[in-house]
Amino acid sequence: NAGVTQTPKFQVLKTGQSMTLQCAQDMNHEYMSWYRQDPGMGLRLIHYSVGAGITDQGEVPNGYNVSRSTTEDFPLRLLSAAPSQTSVYFCASGDYEQYFGPGTRLTVT
Amino acid sequence: DAKTTQPNSMESNEEEPVHLPCNHSTISGTDYIHWYRQLPSQGPEYVIHGLTSNVNNRMASLAIAEDRKSSTLILHRATLRDAAVYYCIRRYGGSQGNLIFGKGTKLSVKP
Repeated sequence: NAGVTQTPKFQVLKTGQSMTLQCAQDMNHEYMSWYRQDPGMGLRLIHYSVGAGITDQGEVPNGYNVSRSTTEDFPLRLLSAAPSQTSVYFCASGDYEQYFGPGTRLTVT
Repeated sequence: DAKTTQPNSMESNEEEPVHLPCNHSTISGTDYIHWYRQLPSQGPEYVIHGLTSNVNNRMASLAIAEDRKSSTLILHRATLRDAAVYYCIRRYGGSQGNLIFGKGTKLSVKP
């Protein structure tokens, strides 16, 4: 039981590039979510999903896209990276208890 | 809008109890109160949650005021490993509700 896994752990992008942050869970959770955390701040919700085929926006969705084709996977796509998207990204899944992944540290230059 | 209020920071001595307060004066009847903590360079970790009654688990206790406008997370004997940022979160919608994080309380534990 690996829990919530995220890849990559670190990534550097140039402005305008696109990429996909991967998130997978093996606990059969319907609810999954993506957060970003800027230095010294709390986490902010980007997008979430309550099951395969169902996604919705959180507090800060602009510049990000998600899809949920399986229960296990919930990838986050950056469409055209900007320096303002430099952050640590956390994926989570769960029901009453949410399990968070180890995070992806993204730098956009 | 996190809709909870917590002190920015608190200090504790090792092996002493810690009481972390949270104000959620506008809470509605269906909001659960969740606590998470985040150790340095890690993702948040679930601590405890409750609705109306006090709750205990292996990590902590949660004391909820009778009017539900405030709650207190109790760590019975602080250890150095408990130094973290603690987030008090109102969660609407049960197991499908979103966690909206505030800035939390940074707990320091002195040996």
